[in-house]
Amino acid sequence: GNSVTQMEGPVTLSEEAFLTINCTYTATGYPSLFWYVQYPGEGLQLLLKATKADDKGSNKGFEATYRKETTSFHLEKGSVQVSDSAVYFCALKGSNDYKLSFGAGTTVTVRA
Amino acid sequence: NAGVTQTPKFQVLKTGQSMTLQCAQDMNHNSMYWYRQDPGMGLRLIYYSASEGTTDKGEVPNGYNVSRLNKREFSLRLESAAPSQTSVYFCASSEKGNRENTEAFFGQGTRLTVV
Repeated sequence: GNSVTQMEGPVTLSEEAFLTINCTYTATGYPSLFWYVQYPGEGLQLLLKATKADDKGSNKGFEATYRKETTSFHLEKGSVQVSDSAVYFCALKGSNDYKLSFGAGTTVTVRA
Repeated sequence: NAGVTQTPKFQVLKTGQSMTLQCAQDMNHNSMYWYRQDPGMGLRLIYYSASEGTTDKGEVPNGYNVSRLNKREFSLRLESAAPSQTSVYFCASSEKGNRENTEAFFGQGTRLTVV
């Protein structure tokens, strides 16, 4: 079946540091890939997505590129802010699936 | 815009009690989902409803039942709560279920504690 493996953390960074969270997946066919973010006390929000190989999703300074050859979808941001402190989830949706499969989540804390 | 609304936000149950978690969406989505979130395990799918009138089991359905009341509403019932069901529960909806790469929209969650 489909599965997602992501770096669990927690990750603690200083403001303006570079952030990368690794995500790899196992799936048949051509899944769509997502990064969701969960701010404290809230539900999940879509951060970015990519629906085919070599697509780059981007939003709020975050980027991730769909790499089929390495089955990866790593999340990066060049300069984090305190407001980026959250839990980040990598997820995939198989081409014939109704549902999302999630990674375990990575807690990121950014210090001023 | 309300999006996906869950009630209640918090609940404490005693072992063996029953309760229903309510979820409603106002985006006219066909598909709805119930997930539970546990530390270190991400989100796991309990049940989903691909369209009005259908429901299917997810990864962890034991101990739960669901009802797709209409297109807007999808409820999750715990018939006899157990401490292992202590978790944060999220309802979600999406526009299309199959062969479409659309995002899911999530409610704010219900934090359930079973003592």
